[in-house]
Amino acid sequence: EPEVTQTPSHQVTQMGQEVILRCVPISNHLYFYWYRQILGQKVEFLVSFYNNEISEKSEIFDDQFSVERPDGSNFTLKIRSTKLEDSAMYFCASRGDRGHSYEQYFGPGTRLTVT
Amino acid sequence: AQKITQTQPGMFVQEKEAVTLDCTYDTSDQSYGLFWYKQPSSGEMIFLIYQGSYDEQNATEGRYSLNFQKARKSANLVISASQLGDSAMYFCAMRERSNDYKLSFGAGTTVTVRA
Repeated sequence: EPEVTQTPSHQVTQMGQEVILRCVPISNHLYFYWYRQILGQKVEFLVSFYNNEISEKSEIFDDQFSVERPDGSNFTLKIRSTKLEDSAMYFCASRGDRGHSYEQYFGPGTRLTVT
Repeated sequence: AQKITQTQPGMFVQEKEAVTLDCTYDTSDQSYGLFWYKQPSSGEMIFLIYQGSYDEQNATEGRYSLNFQKARKSANLVISASQLGDSAMYFCAMRERSNDYKLSFGAGTTVTVRA
């Protein structure tokens, strides 16, 4: 069964450093999402991406964040200058445009720890 | 305003018994979908069940069923015959057409199954 993959599974970085979180969505999916979950809290929407551009972003997704689909398979989330409060689990998700449920398939997540 | 409300932060259930997890939602869309996800301690998000706003029958998937009461705007998850492996965090989520189909999550309910 096709699945969304994410790398790395865990990233530790120092405050102020840039990080890139990588995702490979399901190959025939067209819509891509990043969500964030701070430890013990609910999952929060960050950004949605379609047709090579951002379709919507939350207030969390400020100028420090960017997304890219550099090669038609990877979907990346970049944080330019990490802050302690960026420590969280980051989930990538993708969906197709067919089917009844528009189900979003989630990757296993990347746990980002900023020290 | 919260789109998804889960009022039970934690629940205990005896193995082999059924448990109901509450979820209420708020939307003005006519077309929307409701999801339940399971998040074990390993952190991944596992899709369990989906209910569309136009579906007349309550959704069922194996031991999971969704008690959909549209007029009350509730979408409770029922897990029958609980197993030890059901111990996890459970999230209710909603996607709305007006919201680019992104998912809005509730705060989650932690279920602990006792032997």
